[in-house]
Formats: sequence, structure tokens, C-alpha cells
Amino acid sequence: DAKTTQPNSMESNEEEPVHLPCNHSTISGTDYIHWYRQLPSQGPEYVIHGLTSNVNNRMASLAIAEDRKSSTLILHRATLRDAAVYYCILFRGGGADGLTFGKGTHLIIQP
Amino acid sequence: NAGVTQTPKFQVLKTGQSMTLQCAQDMNHNSMYWYRQDPGMGLRLIYYSASEGTTDKGEVPNGYNVSRLNKREFSLRLESAAPSQTSVYFCASSSRVVLLYGYTFGSGTRLTVV
Repeated sequence: DAKTTQPNSMESNEEEPVHLPCNHSTISGTDYIHWYRQLPSQGPEYVIHGLTSNVNNRMASLAIAEDRKSSTLILHRATLRDAAVYYCILFRGGGADGLTFGKGTHLIIQP
Repeated sequence: NAGVTQTPKFQVLKTGQSMTLQCAQDMNHNSMYWYRQDPGMGLRLIYYSASEGTTDKGEVPNGYNVSRLNKREFSLRLESAAPSQTSVYFCASSSRVVLLYGYTFGSGTRLTVV
């Protein structure tokens, strides 16, 4: 399986934008880039996903490099409730064999 | 709409005891999954069921068995619990259009084996 590399932790201030990077240099053409987050003492929740183009939804934006070897999850205005572990995961479309989680990035939000 | 419901939320077992973790989803999803999460780690896949009537091993299946009881329910059984199975267990489900909606996870079962 293609691997992803994320920083162990990042810190940001409340009400400022946050850019969470992910490297996936061995991504294949059929791999989708998924982001999940896990709030303290909860199960992971889906945030956003993309294939080649940048994507926006109500939670975040996903910027994908032109060569697809890296991506960035953007939280436009962080709140304390965004403090969580963020996972960048490559998912082969059409498969049903589950997601492979790394250790993710622990995002700390300072008030 | 409850999503994915796991029971129990907490459990303490003695070494050698058995128990079954229950998971049910009400989203008409085809696929269901069991993960475990150890402190400071990401989730690891134990078993999954791509569709009703099928089950397959994931990354860490040893010491566990599963049953896909029907489309809604997917249970995880520990036949003889060991301290190494102390973990938080998450159940998840997904539909064939997973690319649109992602996976949905339950809130977890915190299991301690003493």
C-alpha cells in the first residue's frame, strides 16, 4: 500500500488558518486522498477527499499538488473544537478492504 | 439517524475470559469493519466484511473472530482475552458509494484485560 507522511504535531492559534501537510510520493493513479480526524475519546470522522482537483466542503479545503505527491488540508479559521488528530489516507477507489491509518498529525489549538 | 452503534462502551475482563463486542449500523451500508487503537497509535484493521455473508482478515486478526449476523450487525469475539488485547475497539461501515460519504465510525469500546 502507498504510504503517507505527516508531521507528528502542529500548533496553531484560534481563529487563524491551519495548513496540515501530507506527503504521498508513491501514490498511484487510482488512489484517492482522504482525510479523517479523530477528536479526543471519539471515533474518526470523515473530513474531505479528492483525486486530482482541489476540493472544498463545509469543514475544510483540500489542496492537491499537480504531481499528486503531496496534499494540504486547510482549516480556514480554526476553533478549539478543531483540536484533534488528523489522518491523511490513500484509498483505492472501488475497494472495500478498509482504510490504513498512520499516526496522523496531532493538531493543538491555542486560545 | 444513529449511524454506527457499539456496545458496550466500557468493559473489564480477566485474562482468559471471553466476550463479544456488538456493532450495528442503520445506514444500509454494505461493508463493515473492526479496528483496534492502542495508545498513541493509529487504528489497525482486525477484520472486515465487504458484504453480507463474507468476512476477511485484516492486519491484526489473531485472537479474534467475527460474525456478520445480517446486513446491519457485525460482531467481534474474543475467545480467550489476553492483556495484549487491551485497547479501544472501533467499528465502522461504508457504502458502495464510499467515495461520496466516507466511512462512518462508532464511538468505540474501551476494553481492559487484567
